[in-house]
Amino acid sequence: EVQIVESGGDLVRPGGSLRLSCAASAFTFINYNMNWFRRAPGKGLEWVAYIGSASAAIYYADSVKGRFTVSRDNAKNSMFLQMKSLRAEDTAFYYCARENTYCTSDVCGGALDYWGLGTLVTVSS
Amino acid sequence: QSVLTQPPSASGTPGQRVTISCSGITSNIGGDSVNWFQHLPGTAPKLLIFLNNQRPSGVPARFSGSKSGTSASLAINGLQSEDEADYFCAIWDDSLNAWVFGGGTKLTVL
Repeated sequence: EVQIVESGGDLVRPGGSLRLSCAASAFTFINYNMNWFRRAPGKGLEWVAYIGSASAAIYYADSVKGRFTVSRDNAKNSMFLQMKSLRAEDTAFYYCARENTYCTSDVCGGALDYWGLGTLVTVSS
Repeated sequence: QSVLTQPPSASGTPGQRVTISCSGITSNIGGDSVNWFQHLPGTAPKLLIFLNNQRPSGVPARFSGSKSGTSASLAINGLQSEDEADYFCAIWDDSLNAWVFGGGTKLTVL
């Protein structure tokens, strides 16, 4: 059964840094693009970062660009999110999700088909 | 301000049909396929619909999706108390190189 497990969340002071990890199992990790998302208290789901299967393509939300860095280690079936210059508004549950491509007879598109339970990042003094 | 627009809340009684809308513009929903997710805080978001109207295995048939032009909808037939959750639409926007979401709809089962 596909499993995705995030870890590394913690309480950190504004301006601090934190590194999140995402461990994947029961699928061929190198074949899939991966994403980070977050959900702040009282807010909706927000995309944070995308990394292609071979790390050739990497994209970030404007809200984290220049502060967060996504990476992956395909040999260890893992993805990471290095966060620096953290702000109070970065407080959220952070989720890792697998992106798959599906096709019907007339359309192809991406689907975020497996997610982890999330890890909580709290930025507060 | 979310790129996609959803009503903030919806409600229904057990057994009813509820629909949740998601509207965008030509460059997002108009050109890409829609995902729908169910999420309860503290749990993993769950994919309900992909490719506008396809259900992953394990998702009950009473969940269905549709898309027309720049709008999409999620319908839940035979509403159950366990359906009380937040629902989000999302697409991969090729022009932004980003996943964009609706603001979410909180569904209450009365």
